[in-house]
Amino acid sequence: GEQVEQLPSILRVQEGSSASINCTYENSASNYFPWYKQEPGENPKLIIDIRSNMERKQTQGLIVLLDKKAKRFSLHITDTQPGDSAMYFCAASRANTGKLTFGDGTVLTVKP
Amino acid sequence: NAGVIQTPRHKVTGKGQEATLWCEPISGHSAVFWYRQTIVQGLEFLTYFRNQAPIDDSGMPKERFSAQMPNQSHSTLKIQSTQPQDSAVYLCASSLETKDTQYFGPGTRLLVL
Repeated sequence: GEQVEQLPSILRVQEGSSASINCTYENSASNYFPWYKQEPGENPKLIIDIRSNMERKQTQGLIVLLDKKAKRFSLHITDTQPGDSAMYFCAASRANTGKLTFGDGTVLTVKP
Repeated sequence: NAGVIQTPRHKVTGKGQEATLWCEPISGHSAVFWYRQTIVQGLEFLTYFRNQAPIDDSGMPKERFSAQMPNQSHSTLKIQSTQPQDSAVYLCASSLETKDTQYFGPGTRLLVL
C-alpha cells in the first residue's frame, strides 16, 4: 500500500507572503503526485500535479517540488491572497493503478 | 461539460436502513473512483472501475458496502444496514484514463441517525 504524511496541519500566513506544505510517501513505486484545494462545502479541485519524470513544476503562483530519493514532495504558494485560504491535500499514486492515497490535509489561512 | 454529477447531495437515513448513492462520470471518462471523506479518517479510497469493470475494491468495507457500474454513464454505491459510523461525504471522481487527472463530483453527504 501507500501512506502519505502531510505537514503542517494548520498554516497561517500574512497576505503577500509564501506558504509551503510538505508531504512524504512510503512506496517508491508511486509516480504521480497531485495537489487538491478544497473550500468549505465544496469538492476537492486539482490545482497542480507532478509526475516522477520531473523535479519541479510551476503554474500561476504555484510551485511543486519532487525529491524521489527522499520520497518527499512539496507545494509552495507564492504571494498568497485571502482567496488562497482553504484546505489543501497532497496525494500519491502509481499511475497504472489510479488509486489516490491522500495526506490528512493542511488548513491554510491567509490573513489580510 | 457538467462535470461529475452525484445524487442525492444530502441523504439522511435511520440506522439499519439502506442507502444508494449515484454517480454520473464525465462523458468519455473510462475510470470512475469512489472515496469517502470524514473529519477523523480524512479522504479514503473505496473502489474504482475502468471501462465499467471493477478493478480495485481494496478500500471497501467487506460487509454492507457494494458498488456497481452497470453502464458507462453511471455508478452506484450501496450501503446496506447503515450504521452511524457510515456518516461521511462520499465522493465520486472520474478520469479520462486511469493515469489521468481525477475530477471530483460535489459529493453526497450521508448522515445516519
